[in-house]
Amino acid sequence: DTEVTQTPKHLVMGMTNKKSLKCEQHMGHRAMYWYKQKAKKPPELMFVYSYEKLSINESVPSRFSPECPNSSLLNLHLHALQPEDSALYLCASSQGAGRYTDTQYFGPGTRLTVL
Amino acid sequence: AQKVTQAQTEISVVEKEDVTLDCVYETRDTTYYLFWYKQPPSGELVFLIRRNSFDEQNEISGRYSWNFQKSTSSFNFTITASQVVDSAVYFCALSEGGYSTLTFGKGTMLLVSP
Repeated sequence: DTEVTQTPKHLVMGMTNKKSLKCEQHMGHRAMYWYKQKAKKPPELMFVYSYEKLSINESVPSRFSPECPNSSLLNLHLHALQPEDSALYLCASSQGAGRYTDTQYFGPGTRLTVL
Repeated sequence: AQKVTQAQTEISVVEKEDVTLDCVYETRDTTYYLFWYKQPPSGELVFLIRRNSFDEQNEISGRYSWNFQKSTSSFNFTITASQVVDSAVYFCALSEGGYSTLTFGKGTMLLVSP
């Protein structure tokens, strides 16, 4: 079973709202990732958590705040977003500690629209 | 410089045609991994294959096959007898030493019409 789940599927929010994206995996994977994908572009890495600790932050603006409450759960808290933040947000997980040898398995994504 | 080049932006074929998606990569590492992912219109990235740099054997999985050639730094993907359900964007990706940061190509959109 290589399932990564994400909620919600779609989210529309205003620039002053606070919302959260949720990602869950029950495969015992030790690394979890957030990606942002704009239309007709490849995914861009935002954050990597390894053993519940933030290991990579790709210079993401502070209006995006990741959280890893436990090894199965990854959240992305959103606050004061801009319309250009509208995108598909993908979560992924991998078995190892986020090493280059790992295969990343992706969830279905959350389509975010910022008005 | 692009590390993963997918020169074909969009390919259109008719069902049952064979189609090859090209991927050329660039790395100085001797140990690395290459991946193919499929992204249908629903948005989920579906893992198809992983190949490490020491394994140049071609791989076949049903209608899918992959040709890895280190001499030309290429990892091409062929779909035999394409079907409408194969319509998607296909990404080739490279993973080098250090943390697992995938470098994606720009993707190739495959449209298979009935």
